[in-house]
Amino acid sequence: EAGVVQSPRYKIIEKKQPVAFWCNPISGHNTLYWYRQNLGQGPELLIRYENEEAVDDSQLPKDRFSAERLKGVDSTLKIQPAELGDSAVYLCASSPRETGSYAQYFGPGTRLTVL
Amino acid sequence: RKEVEQDPGPFNVPEGATVAFNCTYSNSASQSFFWYRQDCRKEPKLLMSVYSSGNEDGRFTAQLNRASQYISLLIRDSKLSDSATYLCVVGNTPLVFGKGTRLSVIA
Repeated sequence: EAGVVQSPRYKIIEKKQPVAFWCNPISGHNTLYWYRQNLGQGPELLIRYENEEAVDDSQLPKDRFSAERLKGVDSTLKIQPAELGDSAVYLCASSPRETGSYAQYFGPGTRLTVL
Repeated sequence: RKEVEQDPGPFNVPEGATVAFNCTYSNSASQSFFWYRQDCRKEPKLLMSVYSSGNEDGRFTAQLNRASQYISLLIRDSKLSDSATYLCVVGNTPLVFGKGTRLSVIA
C-alpha cells in the first residue's frame, strides 16, 4: 500500500515569497492533518480535515497560512508571505477516521528554509 | 503542566541493555495513546499503540497508568538500530505529540 506522498521534499525561498506544499494521503483515509515540526520539538497540528471540511484550524496562522482539500483527497498548504520563523518541516499525515483511536501515518515532510 | 511531557534525554545505553521511557499527560480525559519513533531527518512512524492492559510487541512493552496519567515504553535487549527519538502521543481529537526522548544505543 502506498504511503502518504508529499512534495516538494525541500524548499528554499527568500522571506516574503509565497510557497505551497502538496499532500496525497493514503487511499481511503478520510482524515488529513498538516503539522509543523521545529528542530527538537514534536509535531504541532496546524489544521485537520475530515474529508473536504476543515474541522480544526485553530492553530493555523490565518493571516499568512491557507489550506484546502478539494474533493476530499489531495491537500495543499500555502504560506504567503513567508517569514524567517516559518522555517521548519511541514508534515502531512492521514488516518482512516477522525477519532483519535486511529493512529496517524505521516508523509516524508517538506523541509522549508526561509532566507 | 504541559499537555504531554517527556524527558528529552539523551539516553545513552550499551547494546543489550534495557531502557525505559516515561511520558506524563495532563488531560485526564485522554483516550488514545501511542508511541512513535522518529529517525533523524525522517518522519515519525508508528511504533505501537498503548492499551489499558498494557501490550507487548517483541522487545517493546508499553504500559498505561491512568491514575497517575503516564505511559511508559520499555525496550529490552537494545539494538544499535533502536537509536532514534521516541515520541509520546496522547489525546482524543486532536492527538498531542510530546517533544520526544532521544535514545542512543552504543556498541
